[in-house]
Amino acid sequence: NAGVTQTPKFQVLKTGQSMTLQCAQDMNHEYMSWYRQDPGMGLRLIHYSVGAGITDQGEVPNGYNVSRSTTEDFPLRLLSAAPSQTSVYFCASRGGRETQYFGPGTRLLVL
Amino acid sequence: KQEVTQIPAALSVPEGENLVLNCSFTDSAIYNLQWFRQDPGKGLTSLLLIQSSQREQTSGRLNASLDKSSGRSTLYIAASQPGDSATYLCAVRPLTGANNLFFGTGTRLTVIP
Repeated sequence: NAGVTQTPKFQVLKTGQSMTLQCAQDMNHEYMSWYRQDPGMGLRLIHYSVGAGITDQGEVPNGYNVSRSTTEDFPLRLLSAAPSQTSVYFCASRGGRETQYFGPGTRLLVL
Repeated sequence: KQEVTQIPAALSVPEGENLVLNCSFTDSAIYNLQWFRQDPGKGLTSLLLIQSSQREQTSGRLNASLDKSSGRSTLYIAASQPGDSATYLCAVRPLTGANNLFFGTGTRLTVIP
């Protein structure tokens, strides 16, 4: 049981490039979400999904896309990277008891 | 919009001391509150979850309390150890609206051997 896994661990992008951050969970959780963590700010919700085929926007969705084709996977796409998207990105899943399980994070640097 | 505040931002204590971390939130209409631990460069680990109808939860040396009417929660750590050194985050889930958690910025705890 690996929990929530994220790849890559670290990525450097140039402004305007696109990329996909991968997230997978093996706990059969319906709810998954993406947060970003920036210095001096609490984690902020980007997008979330309540099940396969269902996604919705969180607090800071601009510049990001998501899809949920399976229960296990919830990738986050950066369409055209900007320096303001330099951050640490965390994927999380939530089970029926409400406890949130977080992945180890992806550190993204946009130059 | 829900705002979550954690004070102090950093705390250093000698090993063995009991300590209290504070969390306050502006909107008392919450579904639950969670305390997380985050080690440097790592993800978040859930420590305790308190439902809105509960007053406290305990796990080992940790005890979290919730006073919803005053918008406050505390995390009590008994007999602190160097291994407790980490950043502690609290997060609230609103009663209505989006499914997200609103996080505080955390308290960075250092336990000195």
